[in-house]
Amino acid sequence: GAGVSQSPRYKVAKRGQDVALRCDPISGHVSLFWYQQALGQGPEFLTYFQNEAQLDKSGLPSDRFFAERPEGSVSTLKIQRTQQEDSAVYLCASSPIETQYFGPGTRLLVL
Amino acid sequence: GENVEQHPSTLSVQEGDSAVIKCTYSDSASNYFPWYKQELGKRPQLIIDIRSNVGEKKDQRIAVTLNKTAKHFSLHITETQPEDSAVYFCAASWAYGGSQGNLIFGKGTKLSVKP
Repeated sequence: GAGVSQSPRYKVAKRGQDVALRCDPISGHVSLFWYQQALGQGPEFLTYFQNEAQLDKSGLPSDRFFAERPEGSVSTLKIQRTQQEDSAVYLCASSPIETQYFGPGTRLLVL
Repeated sequence: GENVEQHPSTLSVQEGDSAVIKCTYSDSASNYFPWYKQELGKRPQLIIDIRSNVGEKKDQRIAVTLNKTAKHFSLHITETQPEDSAVYFCAASWAYGGSQGNLIFGKGTKLSVKP
């Protein structure tokens, strides 16, 4: 079956621009996670949804980061007024319970 | 909160040799320990996982061991092949009664298998 998909795969933004990153989870997966992966590092947790409820947003680095999953399926991670330090790969993972399956990521470069 | 340490950061082996990567965790509430393989520019791929009620799990050339008392777990790859070359991440999490936590990852091990 189809795995987790993300779009766009690459995004170049000028500092100060807003960006929106999309995640399409595996159908029927209740849980959805967003992670940020800096170059040469392991993924770091940003936020977690169970269905449409955002149960944990403790990893969001600032109030410029916002995530939603309004119908309990597709999720969007929005970054406002992007900064150079936001440059990273943003990974989405979905899970039925316990095992997390990752999407290919969106590589964000802020110039 | 949970902290996961992973060693070594780089590992170079000859084709056919074994490779071992070790991780420690700090939170005794963690009960789920997956390993991911990530090739350059690709998504992390789950290769094996273990739950805290099991001490060892094997899948063909890959095995994982868990020592709950010492809070450490290891990945063993036997008969390594060049296509095993990648970055490997260990992670720790929890899952109880329909709820789950996020994954806490180690910093990764870059494995190079030389033909």
